[in-house]
Amino acid sequence: DSGVTQTPKHLITATGQRVTLRCSPRSGDLSVYWYQQSLDQGLQFLIHYYNGEERAKGNILERFSAQQFPDLHSELNLSSLELGDSALYFCASSVLLGTDTQYFGPGTRLTVL
Amino acid sequence: QQPVQSPQAVILREGEDAVINCSSSKALYSVHWYRQKHGEAPVFLMILLKGGEQKGHEKISASFNEKKQQSSLYLTASQLSYSGTYFCGTVSGSARQLTFGSGTQLTVLP
Repeated sequence: DSGVTQTPKHLITATGQRVTLRCSPRSGDLSVYWYQQSLDQGLQFLIHYYNGEERAKGNILERFSAQQFPDLHSELNLSSLELGDSALYFCASSVLLGTDTQYFGPGTRLTVL
Repeated sequence: QQPVQSPQAVILREGEDAVINCSSSKALYSVHWYRQKHGEAPVFLMILLKGGEQKGHEKISASFNEKKQQSSLYLTASQLSYSGTYFCGTVSGSARQLTFGSGTQLTVLP
């Protein structure tokens, strides 16, 4: 158990819908990262927040957005969902910035029908 | 830019050794290694920092050639539990963000 929690574990929804994924970092970690992993693919970096502020964006679609709240938990919002958005979404956290070891949560499996 | 991992897949018998390579075209600040079992979260194995500092894990070790921007992960006397996909992540440039390779699928057979 890495100490990073993600909810929900599974999510099934329809095309065009909007969903919110939630992540709570390890106690004391200030950075939260979001990754997308499509079936048997690598880890695609989406976005990084540090202490409430956006620090870096990767290959994140405009339909996707995220935020980190004062209590440091983070939410990833996915809207106008398409079939291709079906994937595992991982959240990771680290103490400080991108050079630190990142610890991954268990992931949310999103299925878009 | 994504680091390149090789081989893409490897199958070995329990007790055999394996080497997984990771290379980048950019000057690296650090290399991170993770193992992921199917459907589970990636688990941190090791970090190698520029300048030689290294943190290890069990019977797994790694090297970091700063001049060649390459890292290798060594798994000795493989156990069944070593099966999974191994990802290297590299940190380079001023952005200091972790970029993952496409992974190496390791299968250990009894």
